[in-house]
Amino acid sequence: GESVGLHLPTLSVQEGDNSIINCAYSNSASDYFIWYKQESGKGPQFIIDIRSNMDKRQGQRVTVLLNKTVKHLSLQIAATQPGDSAVYFCAEKEVNSGYALNFGKGTSLLVTP
Amino acid sequence: DTGVSQDPRHKITKRGQNVTFRCDPISEHNRLYWYRQTLGQGPEFLTYFQNEAQLEKSRLLSDRFSAERPKGSFSTLEIQRTEQGDSAMYLCASSLTAGTHYGYTFGSGTRLTVV
Repeated sequence: GESVGLHLPTLSVQEGDNSIINCAYSNSASDYFIWYKQESGKGPQFIIDIRSNMDKRQGQRVTVLLNKTVKHLSLQIAATQPGDSAVYFCAEKEVNSGYALNFGKGTSLLVTP
Repeated sequence: DTGVSQDPRHKITKRGQNVTFRCDPISEHNRLYWYRQTLGQGPEFLTYFQNEAQLEKSRLLSDRFSAERPKGSFSTLEIQRTEQGDSAMYLCASSLTAGTHYGYTFGSGTRLTVV
């Protein structure tokens, strides 16, 4: 299948700064996107999702932006905290592709004091 | 309900042995998924159940792998004649059929090490 990928494997930010994690996808049929956070030794935890009929969605301290023209997805975390340190994955689902989510490789976010 | 539960958390086995993992989904979730995750990679889909029916299997699920969900509640994943390449984190997730999104709830996984 087509790939979901991330631009940067690691990201280091200072506590209190905003973080932006990027994700590129190549399948124009993808219609649903999810961001997950995975802490060491734990399963992925749902953060926020967005459908392809939207270009922005906000949650608590997080915003997902979707640019379908360039097939790009980003996760913005406001006022990053040490507890935000984790690996972040974007995942996508294709229209009529069944039930599987297709995950990218992940970006490791390190928040420094 | 405390979420998706997986057992055991860790399993070390010798090459060639059989192993079985268990997943208990959130009780009202009728969709259940198995994924495999190797170090530094994102999860890869293995198989999907809706109630007791196995509706989708990835080509990653070789003949040595079998998954069941006999009563539409808990599920088991068995790997026969384990190989070193089977070493990975095996993740289970569950979700509701109806909902505003497809987001899953993942368990903490079973980490398999084949020596």
